[in-house]
Amino acid sequence: AQSVTQLDSHVSVSEGTPVLLRCNYSSSYSPSLFWYVQHPNKGLQLLLKYTSAATLVKGINGFEAEFKKSETSFHLTKPSAHMSDAAEYFCVVGGQGGKLIFGQGTELSVKP
Amino acid sequence: EAGVAQSPRYKIIEKRQSVAFWCNPISGHATLYWYQQILGQGPKLLIQFQNNGVVDDSQLPKDRFSAERLKGVDSTLKIQPAKLEDSAVYLCASSFLDSPSGSGYTFGSGTRLTVV
Repeated sequence: AQSVTQLDSHVSVSEGTPVLLRCNYSSSYSPSLFWYVQHPNKGLQLLLKYTSAATLVKGINGFEAEFKKSETSFHLTKPSAHMSDAAEYFCVVGGQGGKLIFGQGTELSVKP
Repeated sequence: EAGVAQSPRYKIIEKRQSVAFWCNPISGHATLYWYQQILGQGPKLLIQFQNNGVVDDSQLPKDRFSAERLKGVDSTLKIQPAKLEDSAVYLCASSFLDSPSGSGYTFGSGTRLTVV
């Protein structure tokens, strides 16, 4: 069975400082992993995805994530936070049959 | 390309009433999903269709929830009777039939249900 654990329910950073959102996964086979973002009252937007190609995945808006099989991690990073990055972020693993299994979410706050 | 359309956008009902949500997926997407997102949690799959057949409804509370996709295109999710704990955002998503595990999803904006 697949599952994801987001290690922080809330992360607060200052504008211009790095962002790190942590995610560990569990999967009985080589997983597909995703990060989605959800702005208030908006739909889910795909940031990036890992599907067994390069382990360092670049996404939209300057975000990237690194797949580390030995650590079963897929942490999301960004070198410099922007106010518009404030949102809820979900780490997601692809399950059998194409369904998505979401983590609990990490709320990112960005202070001026 | 048009996105996944959902309606209504918001709905407020009293407990024990019934409610229905509608979803129109992206044209050509054979697979359609309904997810429930309770406040403060990640979305959880309720039901998955492939064309007009059910692939996975193991998490659907079948005593009160039902869903159909009669012509393999749009879909309706119904709750009857609603309970307070059904308050959530109901998200519809679609993907191509041959999308790799979890890839190629497009989500709709969701229907926010409040049960009072």
